[in-house]
Amino acid sequence: AQSVTQLGSHVSVSEGALVLLRCNYSSSVPPYLFWYVQYPNQGLQLLLKYTTGATLVKGINGFEAEFKKSETSFHLTKPSAHMSDAAEYFCAVSEEAAGNKLTFGGGTRVLVKP
Amino acid sequence: EPEVTQTPSHQVTQMGQEVILRCVPISNHLYFYWYRQILGQKVEFLVSFYNNEISEKSEIFDDQFSVERPDGSNFTLKIRSTKLEDSAMYFCASSGTLTDTQYFGPGTRLTVL
Repeated sequence: AQSVTQLGSHVSVSEGALVLLRCNYSSSVPPYLFWYVQYPNQGLQLLLKYTTGATLVKGINGFEAEFKKSETSFHLTKPSAHMSDAAEYFCAVSEEAAGNKLTFGGGTRVLVKP
Repeated sequence: EPEVTQTPSHQVTQMGQEVILRCVPISNHLYFYWYRQILGQKVEFLVSFYNNEISEKSEIFDDQFSVERPDGSNFTLKIRSTKLEDSAMYFCASSGTLTDTQYFGPGTRLTVL
């Protein structure tokens, strides 16, 4: 069965500082990995995804994530935080064999300080 | 840009009542999903739907729940007899293919009193 763990339910960063959100997964087969962002009172918006190929994936709004199979990780980073990055971020995994249902981590709420 | 829409945004109901949550997926998408998020907990998969039938369902999706695509555009989730523990944010999602990105709607917040 697939599962996702996000380390840290809340992260506080200063504007301009590095954003690092951690995600570890377990999956019995090569996974598809996703990061979604949820702004207040809005739905889940895809930031980026990894399916196959290049392990460093670039997404919207300057975010990127690296798939590390040996570490079963898919950490999300952004070099310089912006006030508009304040939101909740969800890591998710899916397996084609499991009908592509998404299994989510618990989410990390990011606060950006001026 | 096409988007998934959901109505209502907030639904308040009494325990034991039936509720229907509505979703309009992206028009050329073929795969449809419902997820829910109880306050403070993870987003959880409920059910997936393709070709007018359920593809997969979680153990949460018991006989109280049903899904339907009544008219080729709407995708509904019905809860027959709501319980207090059904209070949650319900998200609809759709994708074009099985392995394509799932696009989420803004959610319906269901409050059961």
